[in-house]
Amino acid sequence: QKEVEQNSGPLSVPEGAIASLNCTYSDRGSQSFFWYRQYSGKSPELIMSIYSNGDKEDGRFTAQLNKASQYVSLLIRDSQPSDSATYLCAVNTLMNSGYSTLTFGKGTMLLVSP
Amino acid sequence: DAMVIQNPRYQVTQFGKPVTLSCSQTLNHNVMYWYQQKSSQAPKLLFHYYDKDFNNEADTPDNFQSRRPNTSFCFLDIRSPGLGDAAMYLCATSRDTSGGRTQYFGPGTRLLVL
Repeated sequence: QKEVEQNSGPLSVPEGAIASLNCTYSDRGSQSFFWYRQYSGKSPELIMSIYSNGDKEDGRFTAQLNKASQYVSLLIRDSQPSDSATYLCAVNTLMNSGYSTLTFGKGTMLLVSP
Repeated sequence: DAMVIQNPRYQVTQFGKPVTLSCSQTLNHNVMYWYQQKSSQAPKLLFHYYDKDFNNEADTPDNFQSRRPNTSFCFLDIRSPGLGDAAMYLCATSRDTSGGRTQYFGPGTRLLVL
């Protein structure tokens, strides 16, 4: 069973702080990693994708990948109350059918207090 | 705007009464997915279509079936809904199933079974 693990939280940070969200995965063959944001009662929305070891920055968001440690993280700088949501880590997984799809973690709930 | 549309957004059905959820896309993507997501859980892949090639996940109950009459539309049929089938049902699309392909989600249909 290929797994993606996240701390369920909630992770509470004050407005303006850096929020750090972490994810580990079991499939060493995974090559693509995604972070989705999901507001309560809504569908997941893509925040970032990362494919190579190191950091990838997009605005206030930075994704970090370490394939050797099977670890991917998301940093949110200058956190805003509107960032309060559940963040899902998703990892591409090669299925027995030969197709590749995504395996999701359960998500980490982030709460940003004003 | 290119998008993924799901109807209805909310569906109430009775125990054992068949229900059909629909998904349409204007992205012209080859792959369409159906996920089930229960509260505080990861989205769980039920099945996906690559064009007309249907791929069922091993643990998807027989109660769940799907149809894809053309590229744009995909349906999820629940033949005899049980109380445990109450969940958010998410449709997603991607251009293909190569590892780096992003999946784009529709707004979801929340199913309530009475």
